[in-house]
Amino acid sequence: ETGVTQSPTHLIKTRGQQVTLRCSSQSGHNTVSWYQQALGQGPQFIFQYYREEENGRGNFPPRFSGLQFPNYSSELNVNALELDDSALYLCASSPGFGGIKAGELFFGEGSRLTVL
Amino acid sequence: GNSVTQMEGPVTLSEEAFLTINCTYTATGYPSLFWYVQYPGEGLQLLLKATKADDKGSNKGFEATYRKETTSFHLEKGSVQVSDSAVYFCALSDGGGGNKLTFGTGTQLKVEL
Repeated sequence: ETGVTQSPTHLIKTRGQQVTLRCSSQSGHNTVSWYQQALGQGPQFIFQYYREEENGRGNFPPRFSGLQFPNYSSELNVNALELDDSALYLCASSPGFGGIKAGELFFGEGSRLTVL
Repeated sequence: GNSVTQMEGPVTLSEEAFLTINCTYTATGYPSLFWYVQYPGEGLQLLLKATKADDKGSNKGFEATYRKETTSFHLEKGSVQVSDSAVYFCALSDGGGGNKLTFGTGTQLKVEL
């Protein structure tokens, strides 16, 4: 069983640029969530995708956007990068939306973004 | 809004010592509570969960009890091992289903021989 994989693992961008991060969910999982983890902090919820639609969003501006594809993989896009966007971006998949397994997430190792 | 407060680390213990990592929360409704663990070089993993008051979650010798009266979910283990060295995150769900979790800032545990 393949776990959650993310790419790239590390990247450096400059302020104002755009970035796309990718995530392959664990086999059989149809729900993907994205989290931002700043250094020394806990992960913060960005948004969640279920059946290719955004279903729940945290306190992040619209320049954070995403997609989910028919194979349940997902992308996180961030436009007009700011210095404060430097963080570890975590993707998590789960076998469903809500229900008894709600909150039981399988995380990837993350993509570390540095904005200069 | 929802929030989670964890004791600050790092926590350094000798092998076979008793572990407690404190976690308190603020939430509306009836959240589920979680402990996630991040071992060095690995992604976050679910350690245990509890979905209602007085429930006890347990896994790998770790336990935590959902205390609604004190809004707490402290993590305990009777005898830690070097392999337990990791960062531990307390988290809660928003109670509305879905997978939006609110995490604490994490507590680093170091276990020494």
